[in-house]
Amino acid sequence: EPEVTQTPSHQVTQMGQEVILRCVPISNHLYFYWYRQILGQKVEFLVSFYNNEISEKSEIFDDQFSVERPDGSNFTLKIRSTKLEDSAMYFCASTTGAKNIQYFGAGTRLSVL
Amino acid sequence: AQTVTQSQPEMSVQEAETVTLSCTYDTSESDYYLFWYKQPPSRQMILVIRQEAYKQQNATENRFSVNFQKAAKSFSLKISDSQLGDAAMYFCAYRSPTNFGNEKLTFGTGTRLTIIP
Repeated sequence: EPEVTQTPSHQVTQMGQEVILRCVPISNHLYFYWYRQILGQKVEFLVSFYNNEISEKSEIFDDQFSVERPDGSNFTLKIRSTKLEDSAMYFCASTTGAKNIQYFGAGTRLSVL
Repeated sequence: AQTVTQSQPEMSVQEAETVTLSCTYDTSESDYYLFWYKQPPSRQMILVIRQEAYKQQNATENRFSVNFQKAAKSFSLKISDSQLGDAAMYFCAYRSPTNFGNEKLTFGTGTRLTIIP
């Protein structure tokens, strides 16, 4: 069964460093998302992406965040200058749109020291 | 804005018994989608079941079923014949109606389900 793949599974970085989290969505999917889950808290929406542009973003998704689909398969989330509070599990999701089911990857745990 | 509330932070059930997890939501929309996702210790979010608000019939997937009460804005998940593998965090989620697929999911705070052998 096709699945959403995220790499790395765990990323450790120093505060102020840039990180790129990578996702390979399911191949025929057209809509892509990033969500964040701080330990012990609920899953929060960050951004949705369609047709090579952001379709919606939350207030969490400030100028330090960016997304792109550089090569038609990968979907990346970049954090330019990480803060301690960016430590969280980051989930990528994708959907065809038609069936409205978002399929999630296994997540990347980001630890900012 | 839509909100999703899960009032049970933790639940436990004996193996083979039935348990019901509660979820309520607030919306002014008449058509929408509701989901239950399961997050086991591996942390991956796995879809358990989906309900379209325009459908009166409650969704069922094997041992999992929902009780969807639209007027009450309630969407509970019933797990029958609970198994050890059902132990996980369960999240209720809401999605606005759209033909385009780009609508975000709004999640509740989750219910941690423990299965007692």
